[in-house]
Amino acid sequence: DAGVTQSPTHLIKTRGQQVTLRCSPKSGHDTVSWYQQALGQGPQFIFQYYEEEERQRGNFPDRFSGHQFPNYSSELNVNALLLGDSALYLCASSRINTGELFFGEGSRLTVL
Amino acid sequence: AQSVTQLGSHVSVSEGALVLLRCNYSSSVPPYLFWYVQYPNQGLQLLLKYTTGATLVKGINGFEAEFKKSETSFHLTKPSAHMSDAAEYFCAVSDRVDYQLIWGAGTKLIIKP
Repeated sequence: DAGVTQSPTHLIKTRGQQVTLRCSPKSGHDTVSWYQQALGQGPQFIFQYYEEEERQRGNFPDRFSGHQFPNYSSELNVNALLLGDSALYLCASSRINTGELFFGEGSRLTVL
Repeated sequence: AQSVTQLGSHVSVSEGALVLLRCNYSSSVPPYLFWYVQYPNQGLQLLLKYTTGATLVKGINGFEAEFKKSETSFHLTKPSAHMSDAAEYFCAVSDRVDYQLIWGAGTKLIIKP
């Protein structure tokens, strides 16, 4: 049983560019959450998707957007990249109302 | 607003010694509390969680935590540290079972041989 898979694992972009990160949830899970983890800090909640809709959103600007597909996989898009967007982006999946998140290994984004 | 404070960005213990990682939270409603572990270059793994019921919660790898409402604490303990416990540990709080988690800054656990 595959766990949560994320791609790409590492990527480098320049300021102003756009990036798309992808996440496949653990089998049987229907909810996907995205977190940003800057170096030396705890994760910060970006948003959560359930039934293809954004269910909750953290304190992130509109440059951060997402999507969930009918197969429950998800994408995180970040437009107009800033140096401060450099971080590890973590995807977590869960079954709704269970309270246990399963995390992928993350996508490390470096913005130059 | 909810918040989590983890006391000590780094904690160093000898192998075989007691591990104690501190977590204090603030929440206006009864909280759901979690401890996660992150090994280098890996994602986060759930160690244990408190939702309702018994305040002493047992998790994986011999860890346990006790919810103390009066002290707004959820400290993580393990009786005897093992070298494989070296990792970063995060405490998190939520006000609903599947709501967004608010995370502490993490504590890096260092095990001395």
